[in-house]
Amino acid sequence: GAVVSQHPSRVICKSGTSVKIECRSLDFQATTMFWYRQFPKQSLMLMATSNEGSKATYEQGVEKDKFLINHASLTLSTLTVTSAHPEDSSFYICSARDLSASPLHFGNGTRLTVT
Amino acid sequence: GQNIDQPTEMTATEGAIVQINCTYQTSGFNGLFWYQQHAGEAPTFLSYNVLDGLEEKGRFSSFLSRSKGYSYLLLKELQMKDSASYLCAVRENTNAGKSTFGDGTTLTVKP
Repeated sequence: GAVVSQHPSRVICKSGTSVKIECRSLDFQATTMFWYRQFPKQSLMLMATSNEGSKATYEQGVEKDKFLINHASLTLSTLTVTSAHPEDSSFYICSARDLSASPLHFGNGTRLTVT
Repeated sequence: GQNIDQPTEMTATEGAIVQINCTYQTSGFNGLFWYQQHAGEAPTFLSYNVLDGLEEKGRFSSFLSRSKGYSYLLLKELQMKDSASYLCAVRENTNAGKSTFGDGTTLTVKP
């Protein structure tokens, strides 16, 4: 089955630093990947749609200069949280589809804690 | 846009059957998905409907009525490990096909 690998699984950083999260599709090519954020006891909120070879499409209210997305290849998308603050602490999850009609396959998520 | 409603919490007994409902309003529909999410973990896919009717996969079944904007997830022979959050998600009828998630239903299975 389709596997999505996300790294790191957990990161603690100091306020003001930047953190990069990688999302890889291991056995399929993904022209589109999705980045979600989930706060405790809340649902997944779509942050942006990552498009291979072009700019990401951000959801309303998501700062594109703060959450930098790069989709350099058909198997890798990265999310960089720049100048992180404690309010950015959350569970970040990426997802991708192997076929247009298939369900989303999720990475294992990255728990970011900003101190 | 999408608007998705599902109950916040449900409780059921081990061995029983539980039905989790989901209603949605959407500007463009291309499938409804159910995912299971255990605390601290990523969601995993359970079931998918794009046409009206019932889809059965072992202990899990999902039903869709597009005219009513309604779906349910049916869990049979409940086990303790089924205690989790169940997310209803609607996929848009666009090239990107992004999915919008409901707030999730936290199911607690009791002995």
